[in-house]
Amino acid sequence: DIVMTQSPSSLAVSAGETVTINCKSSQSLFGSVRQKNYLAWYQQKPGQSPKLLIYLASTRESGVPDRFIGSGSGTDFTLTISSVQAEDLANYYCQQYYDTPYTFGAGTKLELK
Amino acid sequence: QVNLLQSGAALVKPGASVKLSCKASGYTFTDYYIHWVKQSHGKSLEWIGYINPNSGYTNYNEKFKSKATLTVDKSTNTAYMELSRLTSEDSATYYCTRPLMDSSYIYDVMDAWGQGASVTVSS
Repeated sequence: DIVMTQSPSSLAVSAGETVTINCKSSQSLFGSVRQKNYLAWYQQKPGQSPKLLIYLASTRESGVPDRFIGSGSGTDFTLTISSVQAEDLANYYCQQYYDTPYTFGAGTKLELK
Repeated sequence: QVNLLQSGAALVKPGASVKLSCKASGYTFTDYYIHWVKQSHGKSLEWIGYINPNSGYTNYNEKFKSKATLTVDKSTNTAYMELSRLTSEDSATYYCTRPLMDSSYIYDVMDAWGQGASVTVSS
């Protein structure tokens, strides 16, 4: 199975700051046929279902604010949230869909400083 | 709009089984696989497997092969997941999800989610 390692596990921020969440996979997620990275990011607020933010490592899902930026390739990926807002306080998970079983990172909890 | 409506919370005894449902609406049910995801309390997410509603083909995470059984009823646009021989380790919230279509290509990322069904295993 592909292991997804996320860091940090938690992050305390002030509104307006820029934050970076890292995700490393145990093998490359780059698909040579379609030349894409099969990595997604989700946001989960307390008591809610997860919400898809980013797929193909850097493509924002429809309706996701442009302050959410996904980057990276191969085995190293980053979710950057610029100018964090109070509504962004949540848990964030990366997921690989390069190969089954699809696997998720352990999550990063974004909290208010 | 796309909606996945799951059955309610379940309290079940150890050793018993439970069957969760997920009723889809707002799209053509047979056009998309249905995936199931487990989230233990306060923990991360685990992919259980998916089913092709059109053919009934399933793909399970090896970890859940002897635990979960995925089925569908095309006549009611409903997917089911039965969990058997329940233990405390199966206490969790279970989500049904639908993958994303982009430019006619379906990616196995979870675009639409049900509201989750909480399963508590306790005597």
